[in-house]
Amino acid sequence: ETGVTQSPTHLIKTRGQQVTLRCSSQSGHNTVSWYQQALGQGPQFIFQYYREEENGRGNFPPRFSGLQFPNYSSELNVNALELDDSALYLCASSGGQGMYGYTFGSGTRLTVV
Amino acid sequence: AQRVTQPEKLLSVFKGAPVELKCNYSYSGSPELFWYVQYSRQRLQLLLRHISRESIKGFTADLNKGETSFHLKKPFAQEEDSAMYYCALRRADRGSTLGRLYFGRGTQLTVWP
Repeated sequence: ETGVTQSPTHLIKTRGQQVTLRCSSQSGHNTVSWYQQALGQGPQFIFQYYREEENGRGNFPPRFSGLQFPNYSSELNVNALELDDSALYLCASSGGQGMYGYTFGSGTRLTVV
Repeated sequence: AQRVTQPEKLLSVFKGAPVELKCNYSYSGSPELFWYVQYSRQRLQLLLRHISRESIKGFTADLNKGETSFHLKKPFAQEEDSAMYYCALRRADRGSTLGRLYFGRGTQLTVWP
């Protein structure tokens, strides 16, 4: 059984650029969620994908967007990067619609300079 | 609105001492609560979920709806328990059985030898 894998592990971007983060969900999981974790804070929900459709969104602007593919892998895209976007981005997958918990990836550390 | 509060950012105990990590929540619906743990240089992983009423690694947590609490307890702390602990509440989105997690800011537990 494979876990959740995220790429890249670290990334440095310049303000105003665009970034794409990738996530492969755990085998058998059809739901993928993305979270942003700023330094010293708990993870904050960005959005969730179920069967390739966005299903739930947190308090993040439209420049945060995503995709889920038929194999349940997912991408997080952030346009017009701002300094405050610097954070750890976590991907989590779940089966059972999340009732039994989520499996998290190791995250992508994004630094915007 | 839902909120998860972990009042202690840092908690230190000696090996063999009891430990309690506090978690309070506010949520108008029926809560589903989890504890996640992150050991040094490892990914976030599920420790407990309240629906299972289980004990993992000697930890237990009881949902107290009257006090809106879900404190994590262990009678005899071990050095390997040192980690960051996050309390999380799962809220189902309206019209959906899918949900999202709301995390507290976390408590860093240090167990001294």
